[in-house]
Amino acid sequence: KAGVTQTPRYLIKTRGQQVTLSCSPISGHRSVSWYQQTPGQGLQFLFEYFSETQRNKGNFPGRFSGRQFSNSRSEMNVSTLELGDSALYLCASSLNPPSGGALNEQFFGPGTRLTVL
Amino acid sequence: GENVEQHPSTLSVQEGDSAVIKCTYSDSASNYFPWYKQELGKRPQLIIDIRSNVGEKKDQRIAVTLNKTAKHFSLHITETQPEDSAVYFCAASMISGRRALTFGSGTRLQVQP
Repeated sequence: KAGVTQTPRYLIKTRGQQVTLSCSPISGHRSVSWYQQTPGQGLQFLFEYFSETQRNKGNFPGRFSGRQFSNSRSEMNVSTLELGDSALYLCASSLNPPSGGALNEQFFGPGTRLTVL
Repeated sequence: GENVEQHPSTLSVQEGDSAVIKCTYSDSASNYFPWYKQELGKRPQLIIDIRSNVGEKKDQRIAVTLNKTAKHFSLHITETQPEDSAVYFCAASMISGRRALTFGSGTRLQVQP
């Protein structure tokens, strides 16, 4: 079974631009979560989608948005990019919303490294 | 919301020694505590987790302990090996899945051969 895939793997943008990142979960997984990873802040939760509905949202400004499609693939969008948005963006998928059960373990993708100049 | 603090931020041990990483959480409703290992340039991977109805859990050289009263949990790695070198993240959540995982800031473990 293929793992979580993310595209693109690397991206360079300039301030003010917008960007769309894509995540394809493991086949059969219906939950996708997005995280921002930076050296200083660790792993920060962005949002989680399950069956095309946003279930949870982290403390990020409205410039960060996402969606999930009927095939469970998810996209996140960042508008009006700022220098501080430079980070590794990780998505993770699980069969059901991530919780304390073996069936609901989160599997991470390789990430998209975004650099904002 | 939940807040998870993790210490130390960096830890260097000699091969064969033990390593301990500690985390505290703020929300008493949290009842699921996973630990992730992220090797350099790779994605985070779940290595062990514990639920609040259990005080300790072991898996070979790795163990996690939980103190619900004090709201802290720890990762113990015994007989460390160079391949244990990585960044370790603790997290807290709810078994019901109603709240997302809140991660600690990470501990960079370096095992010196």
